Amino acid sequence: DTAVSQTPKYLVTQMGNDKSIKCEQNLGHDTMYWYKQDSKKFLKIMFSYNNKELIINETVPNRFSPKSPDKAHLNLHINSLELGDSAVYFCASSQGREIGELFFGEGSRLTVL
Amino acid sequence: GQNIDQPTEMTATEGAIVQINCTYQTSGFNGLFWYQQHAGEAPTFLSYNVLDGLEEKGRFSSFLSRSKGYSYLLLKELQMKDSASYLCAVVDSNYQLIWGAGTKLIIKP
Repeated sequence: DTAVSQTPKYLVTQMGNDKSIKCEQNLGHDTMYWYKQDSKKFLKIMFSYNNKELIINETVPNRFSPKSPDKAHLNLHINSLELGDSAVYFCASSQGREIGELFFGEGSRLTVL
Repeated sequence: GQNIDQPTEMTATEGAIVQINCTYQTSGFNGLFWYQQHAGEAPTFLSYNVLDGLEEKGRFSSFLSRSKGYSYLLLKELQMKDSASYLCAVVDSNYQLIWGAGTKLIIKP
């Protein structure tokens, strides 16, 4: 059983389109995250979501919006895609509210043409 | 600002020992993580240090000195499968995780 799963694994799209990446965790964790890893390999936190409380990294453009239908799911919706959005997006989860071991999904490689 | 420094790349020989250093300057400290990331894959947890000293886990050990803002990951008896990037990440006073850019470790036969 995959602990944190995200789909799609690869996504190629045109500038200006809107796309979503889905994430699900079956670990019973309370907190979920979205990270962006760019070509320089820095992992940058985008969002964390815990018990309906959303914490947003202020540097994230408002074209990015997380949606959490329940504790086990945190989807990422991106409007009006730009070339600079090309990156690998990782979903992750952790057990509690405070930082603990993160369990990552396999990543979704987004390429904007 | 907050900063995590790691060497960009290191090369070592199969069977040898390698030490990957990480220095940090953060607003507060609530622990330090090491993660391993193989190319094209997700990061996976290796270790967590919050107190000074050495934590050993099989072939891998992690050391922390809070007064020096310094940690290292020690890998012994290197195997080809250890070729990966090793990410250092620090938990700051707001319990936010600050990541380094990672050290790409290349193992040669």
